[in-house]
Amino acid sequence: AQKITQTQPGMFVQEKEAVTLDCTYDTSDPSYGLFWYKQPSSGEMIFLIYQGSYDQQNATEGRYSLNFQKARKSANLVISASQLGDSAMYFCAMTLYGNNRLAFGKGNQVVVIP
Amino acid sequence: DVKVTQSSRYLVKRTGEKVFLECVQDMDHENMFWYRQDPGLGLRLIYFSYDVKMKEKGDIPEGYSVSREKKERFSLILESASTNQTSMYLCASSPAGPNTDTQYFGPGTRLTVL
Repeated sequence: AQKITQTQPGMFVQEKEAVTLDCTYDTSDPSYGLFWYKQPSSGEMIFLIYQGSYDQQNATEGRYSLNFQKARKSANLVISASQLGDSAMYFCAMTLYGNNRLAFGKGNQVVVIP
Repeated sequence: DVKVTQSSRYLVKRTGEKVFLECVQDMDHENMFWYRQDPGLGLRLIYFSYDVKMKEKGDIPEGYSVSREKKERFSLILESASTNQTSMYLCASSPAGPNTDTQYFGPGTRLTVL
């Protein structure tokens, strides 16, 4: 079974600075997808970014980018130019192709301070 | 935009009651999911469905059942609610596909069982 690890403690980030959230994963399957979700205090899980295991380029979506290091099995999320609205829990998740199931990490808490 | 709605944001029930949590999606997605989220444990999959009347157990199905009579609606049933089922319940949906199984989440239901 695949496993996702997020071990950073809660983080305080200065507004307008960049923040990197760590995620490592474990699978022996070569075909998989990696996701990051944001969960603000309201509770809804918001999809941010996706990276496929065969993608050659790192995924980017606006201020979000995914630093994909396949050999190290890491998929770190980088948020550039932090905003107060970025304060939330962030979850890394993984699915094996064709599996339909997502395995989630335990999340990273980010607080952006002015 | 994908829209996933859940019948209640907050729910309070008594031990032994039968509880229904409803989820509706409007994007004609084949797959639907029910998770529970507890502090320090992340999201755990309870059940999922990949077609009408089809269901599969997730990682923690005990004490729960599901129903999918129509494609857009997926119900989670607590046959006899217990205090250890107090949790945040999240519903999600995704299109069928071999690679990118991005799941879209509803706002969640905070269930308290007294």
